[in-house]
Amino acid sequence: GEDVEQSLFLSVREGDSSVINCTYTDSSSTYLYWYKQEPGAGLQLLTYIFSNMDMKQDQRLTVLLNKKDKHLSLRIADTQTGDSAIYFCAEISSRNSGNTPLVFGKGTRLSVIA
Amino acid sequence: NAGVTQTPKFQVLKTGQSMTLQCAQDMNHEYMSWYRQDPGMGLRLIHYSVGAGITDQGEVPNGYNVSRSTTEDFPLRLLSAAPSQTSVYFCASSYKGAVAKNIQYFGAGTRLSVL
Repeated sequence: GEDVEQSLFLSVREGDSSVINCTYTDSSSTYLYWYKQEPGAGLQLLTYIFSNMDMKQDQRLTVLLNKKDKHLSLRIADTQTGDSAIYFCAEISSRNSGNTPLVFGKGTRLSVIA
Repeated sequence: NAGVTQTPKFQVLKTGQSMTLQCAQDMNHEYMSWYRQDPGMGLRLIHYSVGAGITDQGEVPNGYNVSRSTTEDFPLRLLSAAPSQTSVYFCASSYKGAVAKNIQYFGAGTRLSVL
């Protein structure tokens, strides 16, 4: 079955880089996603990467995908206090008809220390 | 655009009571889903719908019913509330399009306590 694993907590100092890691089990995953949840709010899409890519960069965000190890990471450069949130990794498999919604990890709570 | 709207934002129920959590979206999305979020458990899928008149069970469907009579609305019904259903509930919607179909838009959530 599909499973997505993340570490639950990460603490970094303001200005440092944050790296949030995720592993997934479904080798047929076509898209992998990073969502952000701020306190008291719903999830919002941060970025996504197609499975034929190794890296995607978007301003302070860098997503790295290692398909061999089924490992996905999100790097946030120059981390700010506003980046404090829970970050969810999610995947969609190509094996199903596409009707099944995303499978989410448990989320990594990022705390930024000023 | 309002996006995905959930009501109520907060609710307290007694064990055995029933209620309906409302979810509406104004983006003409085909797909809609209900999740619950519990500490240390992440998001777990309760029910989902790929279009009006079509629903299916997710990972944790017991104790919940859904229907999808219109594209816009996807209510979640708790038939007989139990303390184990204390949670934060999120509704989400997405397009059916090839690339964007799983970019989900979330509501702000309903915080439910069952005493």
